[in-house]
Amino acid sequence: DVKVTQSSRYLVKRTGEKVFLECVQDMDHENMFWYRQDPGLGLRLIYFSYDVKMKEKGDIPEGYSVSREKKERFSLILESASTNQTSMYLCASSLGSNTQYFGPGTRLTVL
Amino acid sequence: DQQVKQNSPSLSVQEGRISILNCDYTNSMFDYFLWYKKYPAEGPTFLISISSIKDKNEDGRFTVFLNKSAKHLSLHIVPSQPGDSAVYFCAASLYNFNKFYFGSGTKLNVKP
Repeated sequence: DVKVTQSSRYLVKRTGEKVFLECVQDMDHENMFWYRQDPGLGLRLIYFSYDVKMKEKGDIPEGYSVSREKKERFSLILESASTNQTSMYLCASSLGSNTQYFGPGTRLTVL
Repeated sequence: DQQVKQNSPSLSVQEGRISILNCDYTNSMFDYFLWYKKYPAEGPTFLISISSIKDKNEDGRFTVFLNKSAKHLSLHIVPSQPGDSAVYFCAASLYNFNKFYFGSGTKLNVKP
């Protein structure tokens, strides 16, 4: 079974803080993704990576950056958290263009 | 502009009846479609998929139908069970592209 884990289930941060969200997958998948989920908007792609040290912007990359130093790990960074970044963050991984497998999500609240 | 749309934010169905969830897309080049199910406080889990060379795919109580001319996808759940209550997302992708486009989700409530 594919396992995608995220470092925190719930996180509360203050405006202006730097925030790191970590994601690890154990199936040697090439591709990894970061989404945010907001009511009425579904899942929106922030960034994705198709190889180590490679990254591509998704639909809403503003205010975010990513890092992929190892194949199994994909980090999402909020350089200076803002209240409009309060959301559910979901990490996913896939092999090629196949099904994406999701982690449990991190509920981030920015005060 | 959203390329994948789920126009019904919610659906309520009696246990044992059929649930039909709908999804429309705008890009005729999409050739792989999936449905995901999401419970609160959990990540989405893969439910069923269909490629554009087929018009139907079945897995137990779940059937996905694809109408390419109408650019329409539907998920049928028969019979519906209370445990099916969740948010359902449809997604689409282009062949050999890794990016999926997700709809906004439909919250299904199956009443006992």
